Amino acid sequence: RKEVEQDPGPFNVPEGATVAFNCTYSNSASQSFFWYRQDCRKEPKLLMSVYSSGNEDGRFTAQLNRASQYISLLIRDSKLSDSATYLCAVPGGGNNRLAFGKGNQVVVIP
Amino acid sequence: GAGVSQSPSNKVTEKGKDVELRCDPISGHTALYWYRQSLGQGLEFLIYFQGNSAPDKSGLPSDRFSAERTGGSVSTLTIQRTQQEDSAVYLCASSLAVRDRGGHGYTFGSGTRLTVV
Repeated sequence: RKEVEQDPGPFNVPEGATVAFNCTYSNSASQSFFWYRQDCRKEPKLLMSVYSSGNEDGRFTAQLNRASQYISLLIRDSKLSDSATYLCAVPGGGNNRLAFGKGNQVVVIP
Repeated sequence: GAGVSQSPSNKVTEKGKDVELRCDPISGHTALYWYRQSLGQGLEFLIYFQGNSAPDKSGLPSDRFSAERTGGSVSTLTIQRTQQEDSAVYLCASSLAVRDRGGHGYTFGSGTRLTVV
């Protein structure tokens, strides 16, 4: 099983709608998780940290399901500016580094 | 500086030449990472430095790749005898020290786009 897996999409979302996607991980000992946003030809930027049961920041909600070993990201009231690739990251390699998924591409359609 | 600085931002080189990529991390960040991202692919871990500890080189794809971190700050990634498959965006990131069984999110630099022709 890969360290981190994401369905690349794309996820085509009408403006104003809600979109959610998951990221599965293999390291059951992981304690902290991260969602990054990456715009086209730009570097990833930290969106949210998920340390326990979940985290909410405005229209964005991240949740952790330890039993099934996945984290999710939900975006409510999608804006055109939310169009990006969302990468999840999980401690890997003995917890010395983060392992990244390939990302979920979100396209918000007017 | 305020962020992670990488140079050059773009590099075009001929196959077989050596290249050096530079990363200047956020002041006070003891952990420094190199990743690369090929077109349409995820981030591939290359190497990790933490303070004065021996670096984790487990992600380096071949012995043509090496990296140094001088004085616990600036890092240089060197690729010798470049090949076309080395073409990618090379991203550097820094963070506070990794805690046991956890970690801090990274701050990435804007990357070096390497094209080997």
